[in-house]
Amino acid sequence: DAKTTQPTSMDCAEGRAANLPCNHSTISGNEYVYWYRQIHSQGPQYIIHGLKNNETNEMASLIITEDRKSSTLILPHATLRDTAVYYCIVRVGGANSGYALNFGKGTSLLVTP
Amino acid sequence: NAGVTQTPKFQVLKTGQSMTLQCAQDMNHNSMYWYRQDPGMGLRLIYYSASEGTTDKGEVPNGYNVSRLNKREFSLRLESAAPSQTSVYFCASTFELGDTEAFFGQGTRLTVV
Repeated sequence: DAKTTQPTSMDCAEGRAANLPCNHSTISGNEYVYWYRQIHSQGPQYIIHGLKNNETNEMASLIITEDRKSSTLILPHATLRDTAVYYCIVRVGGANSGYALNFGKGTSLLVTP
Repeated sequence: NAGVTQTPKFQVLKTGQSMTLQCAQDMNHNSMYWYRQDPGMGLRLIYYSASEGTTDKGEVPNGYNVSRLNKREFSLRLESAAPSQTSVYFCASTFELGDTEAFFGQGTRLTVV
């Protein structure tokens, strides 16, 4: 799996967009970018994933640069409940990816009133 | 729709005691996993089960055993608990092995004294 680099922590005001960056400069052509989050005292929660096109779902948007060396997870209107640790994971999709998810240290996002 | 359910949520054991952590999923997933999460270490895979009737070791299997009782249930047993096994344990499931949209339980906080 490609190595990822994320900032240790970020702050965001409630109602504003939270933009969480992830650097994955060694990503391979068949590796996807996945995002999970972990709210305090809960299990990790899948958010979104993408290969090279930008993706959007009900939770967030994922913007992947054209060279695929970095990406940004966007929470368009952050709420206090979005305070969590956000993990960027890069790996091959499907059964060929092995079985363990490497969560790393992630970015601790604090949404403030 | 319960998703992945773990029991118990909290447990304190004395060194040398045994216990079984229970996990059940109601999403008709084929694959299930047990992870442990320690401060500064991220999630580490203990054991996984690709499908009913099969189990395999993950990254940190020593001191643990597992049973895939049926398609829904995957239990983790500590035969002789040690303080080093103090951790938060998460069960997860995916439709197929290696699928990256994993669903996690709420965790079991285990303290071994």
